[in-house]
Amino acid sequence: AQTVTQSQPEMSVQEAETVTLSCTYDTSESDYYLFWYKQPPSRQMILVIRQEAYKQQNATENRFSVNFQKAAKSFSLKISDSQLGDAAMYFCAHDDARQLTFGSGTQLTVLP
Amino acid sequence: DTGVSQDPRHKITKRGQNVTFRCDPISEHNRLYWYRQTLGQGPEFLTYFQNEAQLEKSRLLSDRFSAERPKGSFSTLEIQRTEQGDSAMYLCASSSPGTPGITQYFGPGTRLLVL
Repeated sequence: AQTVTQSQPEMSVQEAETVTLSCTYDTSESDYYLFWYKQPPSRQMILVIRQEAYKQQNATENRFSVNFQKAAKSFSLKISDSQLGDAAMYFCAHDDARQLTFGSGTQLTVLP
Repeated sequence: DTGVSQDPRHKITKRGQNVTFRCDPISEHNRLYWYRQTLGQGPEFLTYFQNEAQLEKSRLLSDRFSAERPKGSFSTLEIQRTEQGDSAMYLCASSSPGTPGITQYFGPGTRLLVL
């Protein structure tokens, strides 16, 4: 069974600064995908970024990038130039093509 | 594309009552998933459908829970004899054919409160 661990229940960042959210996972799969999803308050979950495990290159999506360390089973999310609209709960998730397994989330606060 | 919709958005019920939730996926998506999210936690997988076939069920889906997707379009999740522990947000998601890494698009959820 897959497990996903987010060890930072809460993080805060000053507007325009950079913040990194941590995620570790455990899986017996050799080929899998990892995701970061964002859940704003009272709004639906949306995909932030996706990483394919067989690709060594870290995924980047505008201000969002990941640091994927396959051997260490680590998958952190870096948000650059943080904006007020980035404030949300962020979930790391593992995909085995049948279901997503989520971590417990990190609540990100962006300070003006 | 209007996204995934769920109805109702909120439901308050008394312990022991039955409740039913509906999910309408994105029209061309043939996979549909149900998750449960309790306060302060990440979503937990309940079940998923490919077209009308229910392909996997989590051990979290007790015999009081039943999900259907009769025509491969919308889905319903019914909880019989609700318990206070069933209070949670029930999320629906859909995706196009289930190749690994396909994005799941989530609905707004149905928040259930069992008194």
